[in-house]
Amino acid sequence: DAGITQSPRHKVTETGTPVTLRCHQTENHRYMYWYRQDPGHGLRLIHYSYGVKDTDKGEVSDGYSVSRSKTEDFLLTLESATSSQTSVYFCAIGSGPNEQFFGPGTRLTVL
Amino acid sequence: GESVGLHLPTLSVQEGDNSIINCAYSNSASDYFIWYKQESGKGPQFIIDIRSNMDKRQGQRVTVLLNKTVKHLSLQIAATQPGDSAVYFCAERPGANSKLTFGKGITLSVRP
Repeated sequence: DAGITQSPRHKVTETGTPVTLRCHQTENHRYMYWYRQDPGHGLRLIHYSYGVKDTDKGEVSDGYSVSRSKTEDFLLTLESATSSQTSVYFCAIGSGPNEQFFGPGTRLTVL
Repeated sequence: GESVGLHLPTLSVQEGDNSIINCAYSNSASDYFIWYKQESGKGPQFIIDIRSNMDKRQGQRVTVLLNKTVKHLSLQIAATQPGDSAVYFCAERPGANSKLTFGKGITLSVRP
C-alpha cells in the first residue's frame, strides 16, 4: 500500500446523502482506478483516469462520478447513496495500463 | 476482516506442502494475466504476471502456468507458509486496449 492512501477508511451514511471518497498517491502515476468489491463478485471497475481531467466509465459506473483535478488525487462521489452501494471500495494506481497497485480500501455502509 | 472471503471456495493445505490454485478464464482473446493475493482487511497485492506468449513463469516460491488451449491459469506456491493464508484471485486482460477483469477468488487456508 506504500504510496497510495484512501480516506476515509470506514464510513457509515444514510440513504440519499452524497458521499465522497478520496484516493491520494505519492508515486506520480498516470493511471488511477476505482473498484468496488462485494461478496460473490470479483473486483468491478467503477471509473478510471488516464491523466488529469481525463476519466472514463467502467462496468458499474451508474450512481458514481469521479474527478481528477491533479495527478495525486482521484475522488469518487456517490451522488445520492443507496443501500446497494454498501461495499468495500479500492483505489488502484499504475504507471501503465497493465500495472495496478491497490490502496487499503474504504468500507462504506449505507443505511 | 474482509467479508469478501465468506462466499469463496476454500483450499486447505498443510504448512510446508505445495499449493496449487486454479483459475478458469473466460476470454480466449485475453493476452495478459495477473495473480493477486488479498489478506484480510487489506487491498490486493500483485504476486506475478504472465503474457499469453508464455506457458510458465517463475517468481520467488511461486510459479504461474498458462494453458491457453483450455483457458486455464494456475498459481503454484512452494512450501506453503502460514503467511500465505489469504484470498487469491486471477485477473485477465481481454485484449490490448481492454481493462483487467477479475475473478472471484479462492481462499487459501494453511494448517499448522
